[in-house]
Amino acid sequence: GQQLNQSPQSMFIQEGEDVSMNCTSSSIFNTWLWYKQDPGEGPVLLIALYKAGELTSNGRLTAQFGITRKDSFLNISASIPSDVGIYFCAGPSGSARQLTFGSGTQLTVLP
Amino acid sequence: DAGVTQSPTHLIKTRGQQVTLRCSPKSGHDTVSWYQQALGQGPQFIFQYYEEEERQRGNFPDRFSGHQFPNYSSELNVNALLLGDSALYLCASSLVRTGSFPNYGYTFGSGTRLTVV
Repeated sequence: GQQLNQSPQSMFIQEGEDVSMNCTSSSIFNTWLWYKQDPGEGPVLLIALYKAGELTSNGRLTAQFGITRKDSFLNISASIPSDVGIYFCAGPSGSARQLTFGSGTQLTVLP
Repeated sequence: DAGVTQSPTHLIKTRGQQVTLRCSPKSGHDTVSWYQQALGQGPQFIFQYYEEEERQRGNFPDRFSGHQFPNYSSELNVNALLLGDSALYLCASSLVRTGSFPNYGYTFGSGTRLTVV
């Protein structure tokens, strides 16, 4: 089946720094989704991308849909303590009724 | 407006036992999907229910079964529990006409943490 590879697996950054993480796939995705999961909670959708090359922002978050349709990037600018959590990329698979998730990037923001 | 409600929040079971997890979808949603999230991994799709029928199934054995009720709530049943079934089980609800392109519109619950000993 389709697999999504996220990197890095974990990141430790200073408050105020910018963050970049990416997600790659062995197959083409027509939609890319980025979720954040806080401890003890379910994932929350941050950004959705629907077209190759698309660049979309949500506050300090910016995500891009790769031209090859096999990758996506998420950037967080001027990180703050509440950015701590696990960030997942995801895309529809099967009959588009299910989502395939990456293994996540654990972000820690140091004061 | 209540979001997705899952119960119980935590559960400890013994190998070989059976377990039932429950999910109430967000108000106005009619579709329920279940995901298993092992420690340190992303969620994995188990199955999706719409109109009280299983519409799509992931790569999970028949020990995993489900049900959707007329009020759209859902149950996930796991029989003959194995140690490897220990995970966070997430329920996600959506409205079928927005459940695919262009906005997946999934709302996830906080999950049920199942520990099998």
